[in-house]
Amino acid sequence: AQSVTQLGSHVSVSEGALVLLRCNYSSSVPPYLFWYVQYPNQGLQLLLKYTSAATLVKGINGFEAEFKKSETSFHLTKPSAHMSDAAEYFCAVTRGASKIIFGSGTRLSIRP
Amino acid sequence: EAGVTQFPSHSVIEKGQTVTLRCDPISGHDNLYWYRRVMGKEIKFLLHFVKESKQDESGMPNNRFLAERTGGTYSTLKVQPAELEDSGVYFCASSPGQGRQETQYFGPGTRLLVL
Repeated sequence: AQSVTQLGSHVSVSEGALVLLRCNYSSSVPPYLFWYVQYPNQGLQLLLKYTSAATLVKGINGFEAEFKKSETSFHLTKPSAHMSDAAEYFCAVTRGASKIIFGSGTRLSIRP
Repeated sequence: EAGVTQFPSHSVIEKGQTVTLRCDPISGHDNLYWYRRVMGKEIKFLLHFVKESKQDESGMPNNRFLAERTGGTYSTLKVQPAELEDSGVYFCASSPGQGRQETQYFGPGTRLLVL
């Protein structure tokens, strides 16, 4: 069955530093993978999704993720963190027809 | 275009009471989903409607939860009677089609606290 594991429930980086949020997946079929973000007091917003068209996926707000089949990973990165990036980030995979399976979430804090 | 809306944004009730959550999907989206996040745990799937029909309700925790989507537009999720462990954030999402690659658009959630 498809699932995802997010490494690190809380990540803290300095403003301007690289953001790296880790996600590993488990899937018996080619996966469709997603990163969602939840800003404080808001709903879930799609950052980007992998649907096998390209291994490097670019999303909104300068984020990107690379699908690595050999490592079963789909890590999220951003070259330079901004204060507005502080949020909770969720890696996810679809199972069955449409069910989304979410990781446990990583809370990103940005230090001034 | 309006996004997915949910009402109420917050609800505080006592154990044993009934609460009804409402979700209005994006206009034209036949697919509607309910998810919930209980006390800092993972966001879990509850069920999936295609128009007014329940496509998948494998995530519904027990028979205290009743979801409806009469007419294939908005949906309600009723919890009766509510228990302490039902506290959490209930998210609704919608999509125009179904399929593993389809993007689901989420609402802001309803924060439910059962005392």
